[in-house]
Amino acid sequence: DSGVTQTPKHLITATGQRVTLRCSPRSGDLSVYWYQQSLDQGLQFLIQYYNGEERAKGNILERFSAQQFPDLHSELNLSSLELGDSALYFCASSEGNTDTQYFGPGTRLTVL
Amino acid sequence: DQQVKQNSPSLSVQEGRISILNCDYTNSMFDYFLWYKKYPAEGPTFLISISSIKDKNEDGRFTVFLNKSAKHLSLHIVPSQPGDSAVYFCAASGLGNTGNQFYFGTGTSLTVIP
Repeated sequence: DSGVTQTPKHLITATGQRVTLRCSPRSGDLSVYWYQQSLDQGLQFLIQYYNGEERAKGNILERFSAQQFPDLHSELNLSSLELGDSALYFCASSEGNTDTQYFGPGTRLTVL
Repeated sequence: DQQVKQNSPSLSVQEGRISILNCDYTNSMFDYFLWYKKYPAEGPTFLISISSIKDKNEDGRFTVFLNKSAKHLSLHIVPSQPGDSAVYFCAASGLGNTGNQFYFGTGTSLTVIP
């Protein structure tokens, strides 16, 4: 158990819809990272927040957005969903800005 | 644009022997490299890392080697145990235009045969 929690575990929705994925980092960690893993692909870095501020941006689509709240939990919002957005979404956290990341169990999103 | 590549999708090794997992990268800006291990239905778990200023880092049965000139790193597991059977991801990080960037390979599935 890494100490990082993600909810929900599974999510099934339809094209065009909007969903919110939630992540609670390990106690004491200030950074939260979001990744997408599509079938047979590596993890694609989406975005990083550090202590409430956006710190780094990867291959995140404009339809996707994230935020980190004062209690340090984070939410990833996915809108206008397409079939290709079906994937595992992982959240990770780290103590600082460039430390080793600890991953949550992931949220499996299925878009029908 | 796959900046971190793991060209072997799978590897089978006999228990007690050495497992060697390989990873290649393309971007010379990467300054930190990590290996993660992943079991089914779980998130990746950090295994070992190496900074670009080193060429070797060892932690118990796990050793990571970095060859910067070849842009290649490898993970050695000696001796391999059945519990090591998992998917191993290589990852690299470095500063980009929009902050520190993180790139993962597609993974190598290791099976250790008892």
